[in-house]
Amino acid sequence: EAQVTQNPRYLITVTGKKLTVTCSQNMNHEYMSWYRQDPGLGLRQIYYSMNVEVTDKGDVPEGYKVSRKEKRNFPLILESPSPNQTSLYFCASRRASGSGQFFGPGTRLTVL
Amino acid sequence: DAKTTQPPSMDCAEGRAANLPCNHSTISGNEYVYWYRQIHSQGPQYIIHGLKNNETNEMASLIITEDRKSSTLILPHATLRDTAVYYCIVRVDNNNDMRFGAGTRLTVKP
Repeated sequence: EAQVTQNPRYLITVTGKKLTVTCSQNMNHEYMSWYRQDPGLGLRQIYYSMNVEVTDKGDVPEGYKVSRKEKRNFPLILESPSPNQTSLYFCASRRASGSGQFFGPGTRLTVL
Repeated sequence: DAKTTQPPSMDCAEGRAANLPCNHSTISGNEYVYWYRQIHSQGPQYIIHGLKNNETNEMASLIITEDRKSSTLILPHATLRDTAVYYCIVRVDNNNDMRFGAGTRLTVKP
């Protein structure tokens, strides 16, 4: 089944404790991206990647890192999480052109 | 990328067609119109996209006006499970920019 998977789905952590949210797609898509969704602010893009080893900042990249060493994986790294990074996170992927994005199920992160 | 305008909310009776409008008056010639929906806090779901011709798939139809300044997403027989926030986005193909606005909250009522 074609899908985007994210892990973990739920995470409660404390300020400053490094964490990684994994994202994997099985559709051989070139493009992948991360979004966060907050009440009243909608979906905002954090980082995106047009292909392996090519990443770029979205609208709200501060406090996040990403890497794209393999085509299928695009992990989101929070080196020192803070409470303002409490949010619902979505990973997405699509073909390079002519395609809509496929979204993962989301990761609900709480930083205390 | 061009900005879109959608009504904040709409209701539709179950079994009837839901017609969701979107204005994109500043759309440029190489920008596509995309529609997504998000059911509660699930990941957004791609529905359909088009450039100038009308498009139909198993989920919906997309009608784009001849001047391309507006479009309508049609769910031909809405069900309760179609209750969701629907987002209309315009972007150049192969361009990163995918800015989600507030969308239209569609409520399908029995």
